[in-house]
Amino acid sequence: DTGVSQDPRHKITKRGQNVTFRCDPISEHNRLYWYRQTLGQGPEFLTYFQNEAQLEKSRLLSDRFSAERPKGSFSTLEIQRTEQGDSAMYLCASSPNRGRDTIYFGEGSWLTVV
Amino acid sequence: ILNVEQSPQSLHVQEGDSTNFTCSFPSSNFYALHWYRWETAKSPEALFVMTLNGDEKKKGRISATLNTKEGYSYLYIKGSQPEDSATYLCAFISAETNFGNEKLTFGTGTRLTIIP
Repeated sequence: DTGVSQDPRHKITKRGQNVTFRCDPISEHNRLYWYRQTLGQGPEFLTYFQNEAQLEKSRLLSDRFSAERPKGSFSTLEIQRTEQGDSAMYLCASSPNRGRDTIYFGEGSWLTVV
Repeated sequence: ILNVEQSPQSLHVQEGDSTNFTCSFPSSNFYALHWYRWETAKSPEALFVMTLNGDEKKKGRISATLNTKEGYSYLYIKGSQPEDSATYLCAFISAETNFGNEKLTFGTGTRLTIIP
């Protein structure tokens, strides 16, 4: 068990470009979450998957954001036409489907939009 | 909008001293409270998942208590060591969850620095 892994760890992109982040959850974890953290704030919920189904999306997630979890394994978070306000750390987390269990986080992907 | 507050925002503690900080959360619709320790360039490390009023949990020199009726949790560190320097985050889960989504609402954290 290698924990939740995220790739890339850092990404610098020009405004208007598309970026994609990947998350590999702990194997056999059914639940997968994406959070975003900006400077001085705690992480904020973006979206949630139960297996391959995306069951909830935050209002923070504009139409430029899309997340997928094909086959209920890894997940991708794509941001289209990036804006400077998208600069943040994007955190992925996973947990087993047992309720009130520990939620494990990855190290995050830093995005800087210039 | 759920309001989760942590205090103080930052704290400097002499090595060897004990310290504590607070997490305040809504006292209604409680489901669970999580504590994390987050060191720079690492992933947030889960410390405790607290679910019952009156819960007390301990992990080495770190312990936590929970009062769901008044909406607060304390985290205690006994005999602080330099490796305790980190940001400590609490996160609340409301009982009003959708589709089993245990959505964490985080506080802004307490940044702890241990002075050798």
